[in-house]
Amino acid sequence: DVKVTQSSRYLVKRTGEKVFLECVQDMDHENMFWYRQDPGLGLRLIYFSYDVKMKEKGDIPEGYSVSREKKERFSLILESASTNQTSMYLCASSLPGAITEAFFGQGTRLTVV
Amino acid sequence: DAKTTQPTSMDCAEGRAANLPCNHSTISGNEYVYWYRQIHSQGPQYIIHGLKNNETNEMASLIITEDRKSSTLILPHATLRDTAVYYCIVRVDWEGFQKLVFGTGTRLLVSP
Repeated sequence: DVKVTQSSRYLVKRTGEKVFLECVQDMDHENMFWYRQDPGLGLRLIYFSYDVKMKEKGDIPEGYSVSREKKERFSLILESASTNQTSMYLCASSLPGAITEAFFGQGTRLTVV
Repeated sequence: DAKTTQPTSMDCAEGRAANLPCNHSTISGNEYVYWYRQIHSQGPQYIIHGLKNNETNEMASLIITEDRKSSTLILPHATLRDTAVYYCIVRVDWEGFQKLVFGTGTRLLVSP
C-alpha cells in the first residue's frame, strides 16, 4: 500500500522555537508538497519540490522553509514558530505529469503556544 | 491561476445520488479537473479526474460540460461513509510543473 508518513500527528511548541515537520513517502515520487489547512481557508500550498534539492514557493511561504536532501523525505521548517502558525499541516507526493494523483499524509496538527 | 467555486455545504439521503457541482469558468484547454475528498481527521484522498470526456471509476462519475466551465461529481449511491469535504481542483501549470490549488470545498453530509 502506498504511503506518505508524517512524523507526528500532534505537536505542541512554544513561540520562537524552531520546528521541524518531517514527511516521508515510499512511492519514489519526484514531487512533494506541504500544505496548511485552516477553517474557512481550505488547503493552502506552502512549498513544493519537484526533485532532490529543488524547492519552489507556494502561495504562503512566509515564515517557512523546506529541505529535500533525499528523494523520499521533505521537511518543513518553521524558523521561529509563531501563534499564527498554529494549523493542520499536510504533506503530499505525486509523480510528475498532468494526470497523476497526489497522495496525502494524515496530517500534523501543530499548536504554537 | 484557474479558480474553482463550489457550494459550501450539501445534504444527501443515504442511498440516493449525491451531485456535487463545481464552477471553473477560467479553466485553460490543457488543465485537468480533479476531485479529492477529505474525511474528518484524515488527509485528502483522490477520487477522479478528467479533461473533456465524462469519466467513471469505482468511486464516482465525473461529468464535464462541453465548454468545460463546470463539472459535477456524482456519487451514485451515497453512504454515511461518504460524509466528507469534497474538493474540486484544477491543476495549475507552473513552468511545466503542475501543482494542485485547493479551494474551500463542499461539505457533504449524508444522513440516514
